[in-house]
Amino acid sequence: EAAVTQSPRNKVAVTGGKVTLSCNQTNNHNNMYWYRQDTGHGLRLIHYSYGAGSTEKGDIPDGYKASRPSQENFSLILELATPSQTSVYFCASGEGCQNTLYFGAGTRLSVL
Amino acid sequence: SQWGEENLQALSIQEGEDVTMNCSYKTYTTVVQWYRQKSGKGPALIILIRSNEREKRSGRLRATLDTSSQSSSLSITGTLATDTAVYFCATGTGGYKVVFGSGTRLLVSP
Repeated sequence: EAAVTQSPRNKVAVTGGKVTLSCNQTNNHNNMYWYRQDTGHGLRLIHYSYGAGSTEKGDIPDGYKASRPSQENFSLILELATPSQTSVYFCASGEGCQNTLYFGAGTRLSVL
Repeated sequence: SQWGEENLQALSIQEGEDVTMNCSYKTYTTVVQWYRQKSGKGPALIILIRSNEREKRSGRLRATLDTSSQSSSLSITGTLATDTAVYFCATGTGGYKVVFGSGTRLLVSP
């Protein structure tokens, strides 16, 4: 079954440490996205990609990098994690003129 | 303010009641999508409406779109406790970027 899989599902990191969140999709979609969701708030776009080798900045890219080495994989990298990056992160894939998004189950990140 | 930075709105109703949620968007879009997010899960599309449509229905769901005021609404008739979730609208701002509204937290009590 086509799906978007995120790993890890939960992560505790230390301030200043490097964190990599991974996302794999079997939908064969060109577009992939990383959003963060803070308690009581909506989804905010961090980075997105329209194909292997491409990454684009979303609305809140500061402190994050992204990598799209293949059609299936899209990573979010926090080089120097800070407590303000504690959040739930969602990956999604999408395609087509309507660009309907299919989301993973999310990664809960705590930066201490 | 930018979408996604505002606090979630909250609605609490009884099972069987009808409910309408609204969203407004700031830039031109060709389609408005409505997503539902249940606790502990990622959002999932429930209905979409294109810019050349004024109304779209799917089961108990009804979406409307007013491109002149850049607003959309989602109505659920005969709510069930299982409709309890957070509901988001989302628009494409051109190309690949998809931006979500701040959402509405709906609690339907049995």
